[in-house]
Amino acid sequence: QQQVKQSPQSLIVQKGGISIINCAYENTAFDYFPWYQQFPGKGPALLIAIRPDVSEKKEGRFTISFNKSAKQFSLHIMDSQPGDSATYFCAASRGAAGNKLTFGGGTRVLVKP
Amino acid sequence: DAGVTQSPTHLIKTRGQQVTLRCSPKSGHDTVSWYQQALGQGPQFIFQYYEEEERQRGNFPDRFSGHQFPNYSSELNVNALLLGDSALYLCASGGGRETQYFGPGTRLLVL
Repeated sequence: QQQVKQSPQSLIVQKGGISIINCAYENTAFDYFPWYQQFPGKGPALLIAIRPDVSEKKEGRFTISFNKSAKQFSLHIMDSQPGDSATYFCAASRGAAGNKLTFGGGTRVLVKP
Repeated sequence: DAGVTQSPTHLIKTRGQQVTLRCSPKSGHDTVSWYQQALGQGPQFIFQYYEEEERQRGNFPDRFSGHQFPNYSSELNVNALLLGDSALYLCASGGGRETQYFGPGTRLLVL
């Protein structure tokens, strides 16, 4: 059972454009939603995370939008740069941030110069 | 401040063999989680160790076992290796209220 569904699988965006990645979850007990960035040959690195008590969180060029009623959340990468080319994963966990993470399938983002 | 470290970086084994992977958590972290990431997929949770006990476990068979030492480092053991066990094995440290930080992973190839 895939509890976190991520789309699209891949994305090509021009430098300076906006990358948008969407995730939907099924388990209403989830209450912590992080996004991770992974480069080839590396482990995932935390980008930004949100809890359901807020609808949006922004850190630099990265913004999470959260819709609790629709059980959806998304990552927006503003002013995309070639260095942002990586695979992005949404995840969800229940309770504390250190608990078991359930990951989406990933989105491969390519930013063209 | 060293982050999460894992060893070895790469490993090649034959079907039926056993393998042990190692992880040292980020300084100050007492909880270690292990994830399996198949090629082109998201990481899948294997289990989590805290105070030398397995605290949570994902949907993995008993061939996957682990251990945590008093210094918080951890080992992942996989017995009777199958071709399908080929994957990147990730260790993450940080539990409770702490965000999980991932190591670089160990790439396991089973032939």
